[in-house]
Amino acid sequence: DVKVTQSSRYLVKRTGEKVFLECVQDMDHENMFWYRQDPGLGLRLIYFSYDVKMKEKGDIPEGYSVSREKKERFSLILESASTNQTSMYLCASSKIGTGEETQYFGPGTRLLVL
Amino acid sequence: SQKIEQNSEALNIQEGKTATLTCNYTNYSPAYLQWYRQDPGRGPVFLLLIRENEKEKRKERLKVTFDTTLKQSLFHITASQPADSATYLCALADSSYKLIFGSGTRLLVRP
Repeated sequence: DVKVTQSSRYLVKRTGEKVFLECVQDMDHENMFWYRQDPGLGLRLIYFSYDVKMKEKGDIPEGYSVSREKKERFSLILESASTNQTSMYLCASSKIGTGEETQYFGPGTRLLVL
Repeated sequence: SQKIEQNSEALNIQEGKTATLTCNYTNYSPAYLQWYRQDPGRGPVFLLLIRENEKEKRKERLKVTFDTTLKQSLFHITASQPADSATYLCALADSSYKLIFGSGTRLLVRP
C-alpha cells in the first residue's frame, strides 16, 4: 500500500514565523503535490513537483515555497506565516505513466496561525 | 471560466437506499474523472476512475457514470450504510498529472 506521511497532524504558529511542513511517500512516485483545503473552497493546489528539484506553481502559490531535494520528500514552506494561511494542508503523490494519475493523500496537517 | 460543481448541501438518506451524487463541469474536456472519499480530519481516498470513452464503471456497491455531452458524472452508492457517511469529491484530469477537485458533497446515511 502507498503510504504518504506528513510531519505533523496539528500545528500552532505565530504570525511572521517561518513554517515547514514535510511530506514523505514510500512508493517511488514521481509527482508530489501540496494542497490547502478550506470549507466551501475545496482543495486548491499550491505547488507540485514532477521530479527532484523540479517544481511548478499551482493555483495559489503566493506566500509559499517548496523544496524537493529527494524523490520521496516534498516540503512546503510558509516564509512568514499569516493568519489567512490557517488551513488544512494536504500532501499527495502520484505515479507518472499509469494513464490514471490517481493521487494518494497524506492525513493532512491542520495549521493554526495566531 | 473552468468550473467544477458539486452540490454543497449535504445529502441525507435512509440506510438501505441508493445515494446519488452529482458532479457537473464546464469548459473542460477531461480525459477521465475520479471520485474520492474524505472522512473528517483525513485526506481523500481514491474510489473510482472513469474514462471519457466509458459510460459506466462499477466497483462493489459503487457505480459511476460519465456523460461528456451533458458534462456530468453521477456517483451512486447502492444499499447505503451509515459507514458510507463522508464527503465525496470528484476530480477532473486537467493535464497529464494535475487534478482539479470539486468542493465535495457530504453524505449522511441515517440508520
